[in-house]
Amino acid sequence: AQRVTQPEKLLSVFKGAPVELKCNYSYSGSPELFWYVQYSRQRLQLLLRHISRESIKGFTADLNKGETSFHLKKPFAQEEDSAMYYCALSPYNFNKFYFGSGTKLNVKP
Amino acid sequence: DAGVTQSPTHLIKTRGQQVTLRCSPISGHKSVSWYQQVLGQGPQFIFQYYEKEERGRGNFPDRFSARQFPNYSSELNVNALLLGDSALYLCASSPRDREGYTFGSGTRLTVV
Repeated sequence: AQRVTQPEKLLSVFKGAPVELKCNYSYSGSPELFWYVQYSRQRLQLLLRHISRESIKGFTADLNKGETSFHLKKPFAQEEDSAMYYCALSPYNFNKFYFGSGTKLNVKP
Repeated sequence: DAGVTQSPTHLIKTRGQQVTLRCSPISGHKSVSWYQQVLGQGPQFIFQYYEKEERGRGNFPDRFSARQFPNYSSELNVNALLLGDSALYLCASSPRDREGYTFGSGTRLTVV
């Protein structure tokens, strides 16, 4: 069965420190992986998807099929990065997302 | 562009009642999906519609139903409401069947 696990409910770092938000998944196939972000009082929005291999707002994520992980990283956290981050998986037929339970990132000044 | 709009924004219902939630996708988007987000959890997939046909259904009871209209707007219906149906209901739209989705702000349903 497909599952997305985000082991940390809350991650607190200081401004300028590196940040890594963990995401592990289980799926018997080749899924597509995404990171969504929800800033305070805003709607859920796409941050990045693994197939585009883009860096958005300084964030990157590498799909590791061997470890079934898709961790989100940023070398220098900013206060405006404070938000709720959700990892999501979409099966090959791409008609639904399976979301993790989310990690709240708190960047302290 | 108005984005994905959902109505109402908040709703309070009594156990056993029925509720209809509405979603207007971004202009030109033909695919609409519905998600339930319970407090403290990630969104859970309920339905996906494309070109007015149901393309996917999540693990929800038959009390949950949906439909998509010719103008691609969509309604989610929930019958015989339970306290556990209290959640944020999100609608998301996409231009095609296999594209990234844009989410609405959601409808907060409280069942008392």
